[in-house]
Amino acid sequence: AQSVTQLGSHVSVSEGALVLLRCNYSSSVPPYLFWYVQYPNQGLQLLLKYTTGATLVKGINGFEAEFKKSETSFHLTKPSAHMSDAAEYFCAVSSYFGNEKLTFGTGTRLTIIP
Amino acid sequence: DGGITQSPKYLFRKEGQNVTLSCEQNLNHDAMYWYRQDPGQGLRLIYYSQIVNDFQKGDIAEGYSVSREKKESFPLTVTSAQKNPTAFYLCASPTAGGNTIYFGEGSWLTVV
Repeated sequence: AQSVTQLGSHVSVSEGALVLLRCNYSSSVPPYLFWYVQYPNQGLQLLLKYTTGATLVKGINGFEAEFKKSETSFHLTKPSAHMSDAAEYFCAVSSYFGNEKLTFGTGTRLTIIP
Repeated sequence: DGGITQSPKYLFRKEGQNVTLSCEQNLNHDAMYWYRQDPGQGLRLIYYSQIVNDFQKGDIAEGYSVSREKKESFPLTVTSAQKNPTAFYLCASPTAGGNTIYFGEGSWLTVV
Protein backbone atom coordinates (compact mmCIF):
# COMPACT_ATOMS: atom_id res chain seq x y z
CA ALA A 1 0.00 0.00 0.00
CA GLN A 2 1.16 3.51 -0.66
CA SER A 3 0.00 7.01 0.19
CA VAL A 4 0.99 10.63 -0.21
CA THR A 5 0.45 13.54 2.14
CA GLN A 6 0.83 17.10 0.95
CA LEU A 7 1.00 19.54 3.82
CA GLY A 8 -0.90 22.71 3.07
CA SER A 9 -3.69 22.83 0.52
CA HIS A 10 -2.88 26.49 -0.16
CA VAL A 11 0.51 28.17 -0.10
CA SER A 12 1.15 31.84 -0.83
CA VAL A 13 4.58 33.32 -1.44
CA SER A 14 5.78 36.68 -2.63
CA GLU A 15 7.29 37.03 -6.07
CA GLY A 16 11.02 36.38 -5.76
CA ALA A 17 10.70 34.43 -2.53
CA LEU A 18 11.50 30.79 -1.92
CA VAL A 19 8.85 28.26 -2.86
CA LEU A 20 8.59 25.17 -0.63
CA LEU A 21 5.83 22.63 -1.18
CA ARG A 22 5.88 19.67 1.17
CA CYS A 23 5.26 16.04 0.32
CA ASN A 24 5.59 12.97 2.51
CA TYR A 25 4.96 9.49 1.22
CA SER A 26 4.39 6.00 2.50
CA SER A 27 5.38 2.97 0.48
CA SER A 28 6.24 -0.61 1.36
CA VAL A 29 8.62 -0.90 -1.59
CA PRO A 30 11.16 1.49 -3.12
CA PRO A 31 9.14 4.33 -4.54
CA TYR A 32 9.04 6.30 -7.70
CA LEU A 33 8.14 9.89 -6.79
CA PHE A 34 6.72 12.60 -8.99
CA TRP A 35 5.72 16.22 -8.92
CA TYR A 36 3.14 17.41 -11.40
CA VAL A 37 1.85 20.91 -12.10
CA GLN A 38 -1.66 21.70 -13.28
CA TYR A 39 -2.74 25.00 -14.75
CA PRO A 40 -6.47 25.84 -14.80
CA ASN A 41 -8.58 23.58 -16.99
CA GLN A 42 -5.58 21.63 -18.18
CA GLY A 43 -4.07 18.21 -17.70
CA LEU A 44 -1.06 17.47 -15.54
CA GLN A 45 2.47 18.27 -16.65
CA LEU A 46 5.42 16.43 -15.19
CA LEU A 47 7.75 18.77 -13.30
CA LEU A 48 10.26 16.21 -12.12
CA LYS A 49 10.61 12.66 -10.94
CA TYR A 50 12.78 10.46 -8.76
CA THR A 51 13.27 6.86 -9.75
CA THR A 52 16.76 5.77 -8.75
CA GLY A 53 20.18 7.38 -8.42
CA ALA A 54 20.81 10.96 -7.37
CA THR A 55 18.45 12.05 -4.63
CA LEU A 56 18.41 15.70 -5.69
CA VAL A 57 16.30 15.94 -8.79
CA LYS A 58 16.09 18.97 -11.03
CA GLY A 59 13.04 19.62 -13.12
CA ILE A 60 11.57 22.15 -15.46
CA ASN A 61 10.96 25.83 -14.70
CA GLY A 62 13.71 25.95 -12.08
CA PHE A 63 12.09 23.51 -9.66
CA GLU A 64 13.93 20.79 -7.80
CA ALA A 65 13.12 18.19 -5.18
CA GLU A 66 15.15 16.04 -2.85
CA PHE A 67 14.31 12.46 -2.00
CA LYS A 68 15.00 11.83 1.69
CA LYS A 69 14.38 8.22 2.51
CA SER A 70 14.93 8.65 6.25
CA GLU A 71 12.24 11.33 6.37
CA THR A 72 10.02 9.74 3.67
CA SER A 73 9.86 13.14 2.06
CA PHE A 74 10.07 14.59 -1.41
CA HIS A 75 9.64 18.34 -0.96
CA LEU A 76 9.53 20.64 -3.98
CA THR A 77 11.50 23.88 -3.98
CA LYS A 78 12.28 26.81 -6.20
CA PRO A 79 14.67 29.57 -5.06
CA SER A 80 12.74 32.49 -6.54
CA ALA A 81 9.03 32.45 -7.28
CA HIS A 82 7.67 33.85 -10.51
CA MET A 83 4.12 34.92 -11.23
CA SER A 84 3.85 32.16 -13.82
CA ASP A 85 4.39 29.55 -11.07
CA ALA A 86 0.86 30.08 -9.80
CA ALA A 87 -0.83 26.72 -10.28
CA GLU A 88 -1.81 23.55 -8.47
CA TYR A 89 0.94 21.10 -7.66
CA PHE A 90 0.53 17.39 -7.07
CA CYS A 91 2.93 14.97 -5.50
CA ALA A 92 2.54 11.33 -6.50
CA VAL A 93 4.07 7.96 -5.71
CA SER A 94 4.20 4.68 -7.56
CA SER A 95 6.23 1.61 -6.84
CA TYR A 96 9.50 0.38 -8.23
CA PHE A 97 8.34 -3.16 -8.76
CA GLY A 98 5.90 -2.65 -11.56
CA ASN A 99 2.79 -1.50 -9.76
CA GLU A 100 2.35 1.43 -12.02
CA LYS A 101 -0.71 2.93 -10.43
CA LEU A 102 0.04 6.42 -9.31
CA THR A 103 -1.26 7.52 -5.95
CA PHE A 104 -1.70 11.27 -5.73
CA GLY A 105 -1.69 13.71 -2.92
CA THR A 106 -4.60 16.10 -2.61
CA GLY A 107 -2.67 18.94 -4.18
CA THR A 108 -1.31 22.31 -3.12
CA ARG A 109 -2.51 25.48 -4.74
CA LEU A 110 0.36 27.95 -5.04
CA THR A 111 -0.45 31.63 -5.16
CA ILE A 112 2.21 34.23 -5.98
CA ILE A 113 1.84 37.64 -4.39
CA PRO A 114 3.12 40.50 -6.56
CA ASP B 1 4.49 14.18 -31.47
CA GLY B 2 3.15 11.38 -29.34
CA GLY B 3 0.58 12.08 -26.73
CA ILE B 4 -2.84 11.50 -25.27
CA THR B 5 -5.97 13.02 -26.75
CA GLN B 6 -9.14 13.33 -24.74
CA SER B 7 -12.48 14.38 -26.13
CA PRO B 8 -14.73 16.17 -25.70
CA LYS B 9 -13.18 18.91 -23.59
CA TYR B 10 -16.58 19.87 -22.19
CA LEU B 11 -19.63 17.65 -21.95
CA PHE B 12 -23.04 18.14 -20.43
CA ARG B 13 -25.15 15.21 -19.32
CA LYS B 14 -28.79 15.08 -18.43
CA GLU B 15 -29.93 13.09 -15.45
CA GLY B 16 -30.26 9.41 -16.35
CA GLN B 17 -28.06 9.53 -19.41
CA ASN B 18 -24.93 7.56 -20.09
CA VAL B 19 -22.04 9.46 -21.64
CA THR B 20 -18.73 8.29 -23.01
CA LEU B 21 -15.42 10.10 -22.75
CA SER B 22 -12.82 9.29 -25.34
CA CYS B 23 -9.12 8.72 -24.69
CA GLU B 24 -6.69 7.95 -27.49
CA GLN B 25 -2.92 7.57 -27.27
CA ASN B 26 -0.27 7.25 -29.96
CA LEU B 27 2.55 6.50 -27.54
CA ASN B 28 2.40 2.76 -28.12
CA HIS B 29 1.97 2.25 -24.37
CA ASP B 30 0.36 -0.87 -22.98
CA ALA B 31 -1.16 0.74 -19.89
CA MET B 32 -3.86 3.39 -19.68
CA TYR B 33 -5.69 4.92 -16.72
CA TRP B 34 -8.71 7.04 -15.93
CA TYR B 35 -8.71 9.46 -13.02
CA ARG B 36 -11.39 11.68 -11.61
CA GLN B 37 -10.48 15.04 -10.10
CA ASP B 38 -12.63 16.91 -7.60
CA PRO B 39 -11.65 20.13 -5.85
CA GLY B 40 -9.60 19.47 -2.75
CA GLN B 41 -9.49 15.73 -3.30
CA GLY B 42 -6.66 15.29 -5.72
CA LEU B 43 -6.95 12.57 -8.34
CA ARG B 44 -8.72 9.30 -7.73
CA LEU B 45 -8.29 6.23 -9.90
CA ILE B 46 -11.44 4.99 -11.63
CA TYR B 47 -10.22 2.19 -13.89
CA TYR B 48 -6.94 1.07 -15.33
CA SER B 49 -5.82 -1.25 -18.07
CA GLN B 50 -2.39 -2.83 -18.24
CA ILE B 51 -2.93 -4.49 -21.60
CA VAL B 52 -5.45 -4.78 -24.41
CA ASN B 53 -8.66 -6.66 -23.55
CA ASP B 54 -7.98 -6.42 -19.84
CA PHE B 55 -8.86 -3.80 -17.25
CA GLN B 56 -9.20 -3.49 -13.50
CA LYS B 57 -11.30 -1.43 -11.13
CA GLY B 58 -9.60 1.40 -9.35
CA ASP B 59 -10.63 3.05 -6.12
CA ILE B 60 -13.92 4.58 -7.33
CA ALA B 61 -15.18 2.37 -10.17
CA GLU B 62 -18.87 2.31 -9.17
CA GLY B 63 -21.02 3.94 -11.81
CA TYR B 64 -18.35 3.76 -14.49
CA SER B 65 -17.45 1.28 -17.21
CA VAL B 66 -14.56 0.96 -19.65
CA SER B 67 -13.41 -1.10 -22.58
CA ARG B 68 -9.99 -1.77 -24.06
CA GLU B 69 -10.49 -3.31 -27.46
CA LYS B 70 -7.55 -1.50 -29.01
CA LYS B 71 -4.18 -0.57 -27.61
CA GLU B 72 -4.68 3.06 -28.59
CA SER B 73 -8.10 3.57 -27.08
CA PHE B 74 -9.56 3.44 -23.56
CA PRO B 75 -13.02 5.02 -23.50
CA LEU B 76 -14.78 5.70 -20.21
CA THR B 77 -18.56 5.53 -19.90
CA VAL B 78 -20.18 7.42 -17.07
CA THR B 79 -23.43 5.61 -16.43
CA SER B 80 -26.64 6.82 -14.87
CA ALA B 81 -25.64 4.83 -11.79
CA GLN B 82 -22.94 7.38 -11.03
CA LYS B 83 -24.79 9.70 -8.67
CA ASN B 84 -22.34 12.58 -8.67
CA PRO B 85 -20.60 12.60 -12.03
CA THR B 86 -19.79 16.30 -12.29
CA ALA B 87 -15.99 16.41 -12.27
CA PHE B 88 -12.84 16.78 -14.30
CA TYR B 89 -11.71 13.51 -15.86
CA LEU B 90 -8.12 12.76 -16.79
CA CYS B 91 -6.76 9.96 -18.92
CA ALA B 92 -3.17 8.90 -18.41
CA SER B 93 -0.67 6.41 -19.75
CA PRO B 94 2.64 5.35 -18.19
CA THR B 95 5.74 4.15 -19.95
CA ALA B 96 6.73 0.53 -19.43
CA GLY B 97 8.13 0.34 -15.91
CA GLY B 98 6.08 3.34 -14.87
CA ASN B 99 8.81 5.92 -14.52
CA THR B 100 7.03 8.48 -16.68
CA ILE B 101 3.30 9.02 -16.91
CA TYR B 102 1.64 11.14 -19.54
CA PHE B 103 -1.71 12.86 -19.11
CA GLY B 104 -4.34 14.09 -21.50
CA GLU B 105 -5.76 17.60 -21.28
CA GLY B 106 -8.83 16.42 -19.43
CA SER B 107 -12.58 16.45 -19.95
CA TRP B 108 -15.10 18.44 -17.94
CA LEU B 109 -18.38 16.63 -17.35
CA THR B 110 -21.32 18.56 -15.96
CA VAL B 111 -24.74 17.19 -15.10
CA VAL B 112 -27.58 19.52 -16.02
